[in-house]
Amino acid sequence: QSALTQPASVSGSPGQSITISCTGTSSDVGGYNYVSWYQQHPGKAPKLMIYEVSNRPSGVPDRFSGSKSGNTASLTISGLQAEDEADYYCSSYTSSSTLHVVFGGGTKLTVL
Amino acid sequence: EVQLVESGGGLVQPGGSLRLSCAASGFTFSSYWMHWVRQAPGKGLVWVSRINSDGSSTSYADSVKGRFTISRDNAKNTLYLQMNSLRAEDTAVYYCARDSGYDFTSFDYWGQGTLVTVSS
Repeated sequence: QSALTQPASVSGSPGQSITISCTGTSSDVGGYNYVSWYQQHPGKAPKLMIYEVSNRPSGVPDRFSGSKSGNTASLTISGLQAEDEADYYCSSYTSSSTLHVVFGGGTKLTVL
Repeated sequence: EVQLVESGGGLVQPGGSLRLSCAASGFTFSSYWMHWVRQAPGKGLVWVSRINSDGSSTSYADSVKGRFTISRDNAKNTLYLQMNSLRAEDTAVYYCARDSGYDFTSFDYWGQGTLVTVSS
């Protein structure tokens, strides 16, 4: 089972918007609305930012939004702030008999 | 406050065994599915295993199937991962994570992780 495909890095200036893509297949991203996004700062545990493609857990700023089209999901961060600089991972339920959840390879967001 | 605290990591030789524990508090442990996720140094997240709320159903990634066993003791609010026949490629920080309950595929609370190093 291959990991979902994410860009290695993205960057943006404070106040700008950025989008991180997450590409899978019809067996995962494209087949189910069970895509999640996590933020991970260096040396810290991941934090859930988005679940079920576009839902935000309580406490996550509405600057973070998620969407999906076909086999590609996207995380958009608007009004970039310095503290948004982190690694971001997508994940999806997969119908593979050998896995339950598959993650993307991660994207390093740099706030310029 | 929800807390997950892993323990049991360390240095082990190839072929050896370790048992990781994850002590849970601040929520009704017996009501939630739980997961183990690992992260090799400088690498991405990889799902390892999950167990349902009463421990009757488990699932594993191919890479650990037959070598790792997930279990839980709801009376002790503790999740376990028994790791046997360890390989160098199992070297990673191991996180326990609580299933959010929204969709059984997202994880809303994570422990701080415990490092497992497999090396001779």
